[in-house]
Parts: sequence; structure tokens; C-alpha cells
Amino acid sequence: AQSVAQPEDQVNVAEGNPLTVKCTYSVSGNPYLFWYVQYPNRGLQFLLKYITGDNLVKGSYGFEAEFNKSQTSFHLKKPSALVSDSALYFCAVRGSNYQLIWGAGTKLIIKP
Amino acid sequence: DVKVTQSSRYLVKRTGEKVFLECVQDMDHENMFWYRQDPGLGLRLIYFSYDVKMKEKGDIPEGYSVSREKKERFSLILESASTNQTSMYLCASRSGQTRGETQYFGPGTRLLVL
Repeated sequence: AQSVAQPEDQVNVAEGNPLTVKCTYSVSGNPYLFWYVQYPNRGLQFLLKYITGDNLVKGSYGFEAEFNKSQTSFHLKKPSALVSDSALYFCAVRGSNYQLIWGAGTKLIIKP
Repeated sequence: DVKVTQSSRYLVKRTGEKVFLECVQDMDHENMFWYRQDPGLGLRLIYFSYDVKMKEKGDIPEGYSVSREKKERFSLILESASTNQTSMYLCASRSGQTRGETQYFGPGTRLLVL
């Protein structure tokens, strides 16, 4: 079955520390992977995607994600967190019918 | 800059009412989507459309219908609103369907059905 798992409902990080938001997936074939962010009372904004090529993908607002085929993971990372990074983060993978399969979301809280 | 707009940010309706949610995109995208977002469930696809007058059911189409008469406009219709349709509704658009094109989202409509 095709699926996306975000194992943490919430991640708490102190400002200035590195952050990681985890995502694992299950899909047949080569995965197309996405990260989106949702700020309070807003729609989703695209952060980055992996289609092919370099396993480390760089995106908006200083975020990056590492594709790991053997671990079927696509974790979102940032070297130094900002309070303004506090938001809801969604991982998604393209399914066999070309539609996106979404994770449940991870709430990221950055404390000053 | 891609823009997807939704007709209302907040909506309060009564059980049994017919509800229309409208979405407009200005990027000439072929594909448009309606999702609902509920805490802990992520986004669930209700319907999508890959062309004018074309529609496909998503994962949770029951209780909903859609209309796409023009390329830029995709409407979601709740024929008879029920309290379990209280949710955040997100519209998105995307060009083509190869090599993982990005979906662009509207700001969302938070619907409360009383």
C-alpha cells in the first residue's frame, strides 16, 4: 500500500539549534517527494521536492531535505532554526495515479 | 507569481444547506484539486479535474460534487451540508502530470456546519 508517515505529531526545537522533521514513505517505483509548510490560518506553501538527481535537495527559507532510498526516508532539515519557522509541515509522495499522498503533518515549535 | 484564490476564508452554514466553494487560478493550469484538511489526518483528496468539464473522484467524494465549466475555475458543492463536513477546505492547481510538477494552494476555506 502507498503511504506517507510523519512519526512525530510535534517537534520542539530551541531557536538557533538544528531541526529535523521526519518523513518515511512507501510507494512502488521511483518516488517523487515533496515538503510543504502551512503557517497559521494559511494555505500550504511549497518548500522543496525531490524528483531525481542529488539526494540533498535545497528549498525555500533555508530548508533542505535528504532522500535516502534504502531507508525510504525524506527528512526535512535546517541548520539553525528561527522562531518564524514555527508552523505545520507536510510531507507528500506522488502515488501511482499521479496524485499526492500526504502525511498527517508535524507541528514544529521553535522556542526563543 | 502563481495565485490560487478561494471565494471565502470562513463560512458558517446550517445542516441541510447547499454550499458552494469556489476556486480560481490564474496560471492556466490544467489540473485542479479539492482537499479537506482535518487535524491528524493530513490532506484528503475529495475530487480533482484534469480538464474543463472533466472530473475524477478522489479518496473521499461522498457528499460532495464538483463543477469545472472554465479552465481557471473549480467549484466544490456540498449538496446537503452535514456537521461531519465541518473542516478546512483547500483548493490547489498544477500544470501537467509528468515529473512531479508542484501543486499550488489557495488560502483555504474554514467551513463550520451547525
